[in-house]
Amino acid sequence: EAGVTQSPTHLIKTRGQQATLRCSPISGHTSVYWYQQALGLGLQFLLWYDEGEERNRGNFPPRFSGRQFPNYSSELNVNALELEDSALYLCASSEGQSGANVLTFGAGSRLTVL
Amino acid sequence: AQSVSQHNHHVILSEAASLELGCNYSYGGTVNLFWYVQYPGQHLQLLLKYFSGDPLVKGIKGFEAEFIKSKFSFNLRKPSVQWSDTAEYFCAVGRGGTSYGKLTFGQGTILTVHP
Repeated sequence: EAGVTQSPTHLIKTRGQQATLRCSPISGHTSVYWYQQALGLGLQFLLWYDEGEERNRGNFPPRFSGRQFPNYSSELNVNALELEDSALYLCASSEGQSGANVLTFGAGSRLTVL
Repeated sequence: AQSVSQHNHHVILSEAASLELGCNYSYGGTVNLFWYVQYPGQHLQLLLKYFSGDPLVKGIKGFEAEFIKSKFSFNLRKPSVQWSDTAEYFCAVGRGGTSYGKLTFGQGTILTVHP
């Protein structure tokens, strides 16, 4: 069974640009989660999508946005990049609103903002 | 706001030593509790989870954790560590209500096991 796949593995951008990260969940999983893992800050919850809808959002500015497609894949967009956006962005999936939010994580996309 | 605290940033042990990693959380309601592990060069993997029932839960690779509700704790233990247990360990808490779907993670504990 394929796990959670993320692309690209690495992405280098400059300040002010936009970044788009992509995630494909495990087959059968309808929920997708995005986390930011910045150096020294641990994992911070960004967004949760289920059945195409944004269900919850962490304490991040509106320039962090995303969407979930009908095939349950998702993309995370970060606009007007700032240096502190440099981090590992992790995507996770789960079976949806079953009450057992067991997340399976992907390998992450490392974003570097210069 | 809910928080998760892991007491040790870096733990160094010799093989065969016993391990206990502390985790405390601040939320008083019903919670789901997790330990995730990230081995060098690999992605986060679920080690074990607690939803309800027996507060002593067993996970993969000989790890176990005990939920003590009165202490808001979910400590991870292993009787005898191996070099291959070298990794970063994260405690995480999930709950319902407006936080449904959101896991709050601790800062992580790096475990280094010397052969």
